Amino acid sequence: GIQVEQSPPDLILQEGANSTLRCNFSDSVNNLQWFHQNPWGQLINLFYIPSGTKQNGRLSATTVATERYSLLYISSSQTTDSGVYFCAVEVREYGNKLVFGAGTILRVKS
Amino acid sequence: EAEVAQSPRYKITEKSQAVAFWCDPISGHATLYWYRQILGQGPELLVQFQDESVVDDSQLPKDRFSAERLKGVDSTLKIQPAELGDSAMYLCASSLGGYSYEQYFGPGTRLTVT
Repeated sequence: GIQVEQSPPDLILQEGANSTLRCNFSDSVNNLQWFHQNPWGQLINLFYIPSGTKQNGRLSATTVATERYSLLYISSSQTTDSGVYFCAVEVREYGNKLVFGAGTILRVKS
Repeated sequence: EAEVAQSPRYKITEKSQAVAFWCDPISGHATLYWYRQILGQGPELLVQFQDESVVDDSQLPKDRFSAERLKGVDSTLKIQPAELGDSAMYLCASSLGGYSYEQYFGPGTRLTVT
């Protein structure tokens, strides 16, 4: 099946710092989503980005589908950005379920 | 803004007991998913419905788990009997349907089996 690898597994930042999270995937995808899981466990949609670049406030994401990776940029981090960030992909051959990476745990210190 | 609803939010049960979770997808969403997330891991699909039909239940432990979406709207996931290893977060998601549509998740049900 498809492999989804996220890096780094853990990241500690000082408030105000910038960061880049990476997602590598092993097959062509027709959907890629980034999520933030809050401390209560809910998955919050950040980006639906099978290709190209999108921005939403301090967050932006880029997916290079031909090279099978996606990047999530967080600028001017805040303590509320803490949590787990997941990348998830959909591959047509495996139906339209999302296959998740293991996540990146982000801790932002004040 | 429309949201996926789930209940209960938390459930504690003893092993060998039965437990049920409920999900109401975003109105108009034809596809409904149940995922299970074990602590420290990403969610994994248990079952997927297109309207009232199951389209993927390959990872559903059918000896103890069952799921239904009788009228193609809300859905129930049941475990009977519950085992210690079933302790996890159970997440429901929905999408418009078909391929390449964004999935939206509910708040989840955190199950603890004692």
